[in-house]
Amino acid sequence: DAMVIQNPRYQVTQFGKPVTLSCSQTLNHNVMYWYQQKSSQAPKLLFHYYDKDFNNEADTPDNFQSRRPNTSFCFLDIRSPGLGDAAMYLCATSRGSRERYEQYFGPGTRLTVT
Amino acid sequence: QKEVEQNSGPLSVPEGAIASLNCTYSDRVSQSFFWYRQYSGKSPELIMSIYSNGDKEDGRFTAQLNKASQYVSLLIRDSQPSDSATYLCAVDNNDMRFGAGTRLTVKP
Repeated sequence: DAMVIQNPRYQVTQFGKPVTLSCSQTLNHNVMYWYQQKSSQAPKLLFHYYDKDFNNEADTPDNFQSRRPNTSFCFLDIRSPGLGDAAMYLCATSRGSRERYEQYFGPGTRLTVT
Repeated sequence: QKEVEQNSGPLSVPEGAIASLNCTYSDRVSQSFFWYRQYSGKSPELIMSIYSNGDKEDGRFTAQLNKASQYVSLLIRDSQPSDSATYLCAVDNNDMRFGAGTRLTVKP
């Protein structure tokens, strides 16, 4: 089945220790997104790639970086995690055509910062 | 003003009733509207998309869009306990913007 996969599902890191979250997709979608979601809040878009074109949200902290080495994979790097970065991180994909922005989400990675 | 607003709930309905979830948005040029269901601790799951004014039905779900009023709603008929979840409204505004969600509880 075509899907969006995120690894790991749960990640514990120490304050200030870099961490990388990964996302892969078999949908062959052009666009990949990273969202941060804290409890009882809306998912907050961090950035997205349209093919190789990177689009950063204006309020995404510099502490967050992303890489998309190929169509299938996308990574979220948090260079120096703080306690406030503890959240669920969601990867999503879409075909990216103008008329259809349906996004399909992976299961998420829950990040704990100790 | 928030871009996408939803009543946070909780909304509680008895099993078999109609649940009505509402959403308003601020950007008049928005063209695409979505409803996602999110169970506790899980990721959002797309359940409906709507692009034109009027109603769109899919099984027990009906999405309603009124662009003039900047309003989109989701009706769930014959609500089941398994429908208990948070429902997120999302609006395409070049980038997708989500509401914070309405928590729905369906009581047996």
